[in-house]
Amino acid sequence: NAGVMQNPRHLVRRRGQEARLRCSPMKGHSHVYWYRQLPEEGLKFMVYLQKENIIDESGMPKERFSAEFPKEGPSILRIQQVVRGDSAAYFCASSPARAYEQYFGPGTRLTVT
Amino acid sequence: AQSVAQPEDQVNVAEGNPLTVKCTYSVSGNPYLFWYVQYPNRGLQFLLKYITGDNLVKGSYGFEAEFNKSQTSFHLKKPSALVSDSALYFCAVREQGNDYKLSFGAGTTVTVRA
Repeated sequence: NAGVMQNPRHLVRRRGQEARLRCSPMKGHSHVYWYRQLPEEGLKFMVYLQKENIIDESGMPKERFSAEFPKEGPSILRIQQVVRGDSAAYFCASSPARAYEQYFGPGTRLTVT
Repeated sequence: AQSVAQPEDQVNVAEGNPLTVKCTYSVSGNPYLFWYVQYPNRGLQFLLKYITGDNLVKGSYGFEAEFNKSQTSFHLKKPSALVSDSALYFCAVREQGNDYKLSFGAGTTVTVRA
């Protein structure tokens, strides 16, 4: 049983470009969560999605960030017009239902130059 | 609001010695507490959780954690550390009634020397 998959593992973008981060949850999991880890900090909740629905995006910056989890395919975290402060590790987690343990992917390390 | 503190950035122990990684939490109601471990270039792996019941929780790889409500702590322990336990450890909490949003500590780097 494959775990949570994230790609790319490393992403380098210049300021102003777009970053697209993908997350494929574990088989049978329909709940996806995105967290961001800034240097020297713990993971911070960004958004919680179920298939085709955003349940809670209270941790997402109001501008430039968006997330989706379509009926088919992976969940996507999209960052438009990236800035240096967006450089971080972005982790995706999934669970079979709310209130269950979250299983984390290996993360995508975004570097903005 | 819920939050977690891991007061030690680093813990260094010799192989075979006991290992303790400290965690304190703050929540409005009853806490659900978790420990995760992160190896280099890997995702976070779930170690154990406290929801209710016995204050001593046993988890994967010989780890255990003790919930102490009066001290609002949830320290991770292993009686005899291995070199392979060297990794980054995260404590996380969520409040009862919040069934998905985890709050993480900043992490503690454990180094076990041979």
